Amino acid sequence: SAVISQKPSRDICQRGTSLTIQCQVDSQVTMMFWYRQQPGQSLTLIATANQGSEATYESGFVIDKFPISRPNLTFSTLTVSNMSPEDSSIYLCSGTGYNEQFFGPGTRLTVL
Amino acid sequence: GIQVEQSPPDLILQEGANSTLRCNFSDSVNNLQWFHQNPWGQLINLFYIPSGTKQNGRLSATTVATERYSLLYISSSQTTDSGVYFCAVSQGGSEKLVFGKGTKLTVNP
Repeated sequence: SAVISQKPSRDICQRGTSLTIQCQVDSQVTMMFWYRQQPGQSLTLIATANQGSEATYESGFVIDKFPISRPNLTFSTLTVSNMSPEDSSIYLCSGTGYNEQFFGPGTRLTVL
Repeated sequence: GIQVEQSPPDLILQEGANSTLRCNFSDSVNNLQWFHQNPWGQLINLFYIPSGTKQNGRLSATTVATERYSLLYISSSQTTDSGVYFCAVSQGGSEKLVFGKGTKLTVNP
């Protein structure tokens, strides 16, 4: 299985600030993705992180709000910008390898 | 896009009981995975099962791709089985997963 780590594991932030989440995957991973899980809900795909180029965003998500970088094969960041309480969620990084998708432990974000 | 429906939404069991969780999907898929999300939020891979049957200890899964459903069986349930079980699929040449809403399982001692 693929090994995926994220940091921070949790954070409490003030409205209007930004938070950058880091994701590190092992070398077996090919594709990388970012998901959001709002309280009590299922997971929703934010974007596909593309190595060395702009991420591909899903409907309802925009680069200005969720800028994503993937400078190399095994590292990606997601920034949640100009946060509001509605951004309080778990943010999960994932990667595919061996035909399966594996998830990091998630970042639990609370915005006050 | 593809629709993924899971049932039941909630399930409460006594320790030792067996259960079956169902996942229906609206179109052909090239990937189907079952996950367990524990109370701490971690998603644990249970099965990669686009078709056929697999077993891992007390858990087993069956996907009938032609009829567009998958079943997850939990036998002799334990309190540590509690959490939310998600089914997720991808289709075509995409690796993007579409998740169902999950089944929340509570196993009481």
